[in-house]
Amino acid sequence: KAGVTQTPRYLIKTRGQQVTLSCSPISGHRSVSWYQQTPGQGLQFLFEYFSETQRNKGNFPGRFSGRQFSNSRSEMNVSTLELGDSALYLCASSTRLAGYQETQYFGPGTRLLVL
Amino acid sequence: DQQVKQNSPSLSVQEGRISILNCDYTNSMFDYFLWYKKYPAEGPTFLISISSIKDKNEDGRFTVFLNKSAKHLSLHIVPSQPGDSAVYFCAARPWGGATNKLIFGTGTLLAVQP
Repeated sequence: KAGVTQTPRYLIKTRGQQVTLSCSPISGHRSVSWYQQTPGQGLQFLFEYFSETQRNKGNFPGRFSGRQFSNSRSEMNVSTLELGDSALYLCASSTRLAGYQETQYFGPGTRLLVL
Repeated sequence: DQQVKQNSPSLSVQEGRISILNCDYTNSMFDYFLWYKKYPAEGPTFLISISSIKDKNEDGRFTVFLNKSAKHLSLHIVPSQPGDSAVYFCAARPWGGATNKLIFGTGTLLAVQP
């Protein structure tokens, strides 16, 4: 079974631009979560989606948004990019939401560099 | 406020010996704990997990121990192999809500020396 895929793998943008990252979960997985990894803050939860609805959101500004499609694929968008948004953005999928011992499986990430 | 802490940024172990990675948490409201392994520029790879109702879970060379009274969990790797060299993250899931959200520790870099 194919794993979580993320596109693009690398991205360079300039301040003020916006960016859209894509995530395709493992087949049959309906829950998708996004995380940001930076050297200073580590791995931090951005938001999670299930059945096309955002179920939880982390402590990030409104510039960070996302959505999930009917096939469970998800996108996240960052508007008005800042230098501090440079990070590895990770997508994780799981079969359902909050199940007993439900495990998240991560994709390879998208490395975003903001200049 | 770091709810999940890995106080050792790095650990060096000889091949064949035991690696013990530690993790402490400050919030009792976690129901599920996981360990992930991560190589640079890749996503975390799931290793092993443990429910809060258990105190031990084993999978091959990997064993996770949970001490709820001490709010402490540890990952034992026996025997350690050079391919185990990576950053290891512990993660915890808050209970009670409809969420898969994970709170991660800061990671421990394990170096297994041949």
